[in-house]
Amino acid sequence: DTGVSQNPRHKITKRGQNVTFRCDPISEHNRLYWYRQTLGQGPEFLTYFQNEAQLEKSRLLSDRFSAERPKGSFSTLEIQRTEQGDSAMYLCASSLRTVTAYEQYFGPGTRLTVT
Amino acid sequence: AQKVTQAQTEISVVEKEDVTLDCVYETRDTTYYLFWYKQPPSGELVFLIRRNSFDEQNEISGRYSWNFQKSTSSFNFTITASQVVDSAVYFCALSEEQAAGNKLTFGGGTRVLVKP
Repeated sequence: DTGVSQNPRHKITKRGQNVTFRCDPISEHNRLYWYRQTLGQGPEFLTYFQNEAQLEKSRLLSDRFSAERPKGSFSTLEIQRTEQGDSAMYLCASSLRTVTAYEQYFGPGTRLTVT
Repeated sequence: AQKVTQAQTEISVVEKEDVTLDCVYETRDTTYYLFWYKQPPSGELVFLIRRNSFDEQNEISGRYSWNFQKSTSSFNFTITASQVVDSAVYFCALSEEQAAGNKLTFGGGTRVLVKP
């Protein structure tokens, strides 16, 4: 396993359409995170899973956004009725929280453009 | 609430010069972790270094070194003898022990341009 993977890498959609992104974490990692990064800014936290349980959601995550991690493996992030303001890079990260390990490892991201 | 500030938006240097990136953080947690990530033009965030709040020893790893000062809430990062491949955006990030999942709070980033 070489790292976190995300699909698709790029997505162009029209306003009002639904989109779904997928993240495959590093296989032994029990934690999975979604972040959003807009141009010229640092990533902002969206949500976090410990195994299959979604334990934290940011206020940035409106009710048009939903994330799942069935069976504690891959995760999907769905955006319903997309708006132009949703255009951003969506980053997935995973980590294995131990006494000595804290780092989150990021995937390449999915760049969403809403026209 | 946790906050990270990177006051430098862009730094331009000539190859082989040293580059120091500033980072100031705010937290009310007594146990926290600080990170530096690199984001090259390809877009993928690459983990570089981590420092725990209870360990203020500064270290050097290859061409990277960091200066963690709890008294001033600063976590500065230095690239020695910069190379063109170091050109990227560098992010400082903070994770609180009390935060759910140890989620990361990032600064705004500093763009480093290394000219040949």
